[in-house]
Amino acid sequence: DGGITQSPKYLFRKEGQNVTLSCEQNLNHDAMYWYRQDPGQGLRLIYYSQIVNDFQKGDIAEGYSVSREKKESFPLTVTSAQKNPTAFYLCASSPTRETEAFFGQGTRLTVV
Amino acid sequence: GQNIDQPTEMTATEGAIVQINCTYQTSGFNGLFWYQQHAGEAPTFLSYNVLDGLEEKGRFSSFLSRSKGYSYLLLKELQMKDSASYLCAVQTGANNLFFGTGTRLTVIP
Repeated sequence: DGGITQSPKYLFRKEGQNVTLSCEQNLNHDAMYWYRQDPGQGLRLIYYSQIVNDFQKGDIAEGYSVSREKKESFPLTVTSAQKNPTAFYLCASSPTRETEAFFGQGTRLTVV
Repeated sequence: GQNIDQPTEMTATEGAIVQINCTYQTSGFNGLFWYQQHAGEAPTFLSYNVLDGLEEKGRFSSFLSRSKGYSYLLLKELQMKDSASYLCAVQTGANNLFFGTGTRLTVIP
């Protein structure tokens, strides 16, 4: 079954620790995206990648880092520099422009 | 920057019709998407418009006017399960996908 997988679904971390969220897709999509969603809010773009070994900052990249070493994988690291990391994180992928994005099921990160 | 505006909340009655508006100002435009999102879940694709006009898909229709930077999502014969957030998203010239804050629709009996 083709799809986009995020893991884990729930993640708890202590303040000051870095944490990496996984996103894997087997849809052969070129573009991948990371979004953050806060309660009652829309999705805000953190980082995106159109091709392997290339990525660009979105609206709220500060305190986050990504890599795109393989087409299938686009992990997101939430660093200790992110002031308010508790949120719902969504990963998405799309084959080309003018096509819909497919979303993973999300990771709910809680920093205590 | 990108600016996408939607009403925050709407309420409508089961069986009725509701229209959710979206206005946008973005650097480049390659298309507009509507997604549905139930609480705590991932968004699911509803519709896509790239040319002006109306796209119909069963109970859901979406309209686009590029010159006005305006779109709407029309939901007919509302059902209780349609209670969700509806997200308007614009794909820009750089092939990014930017979302509005979403409209939370509550369907009441």
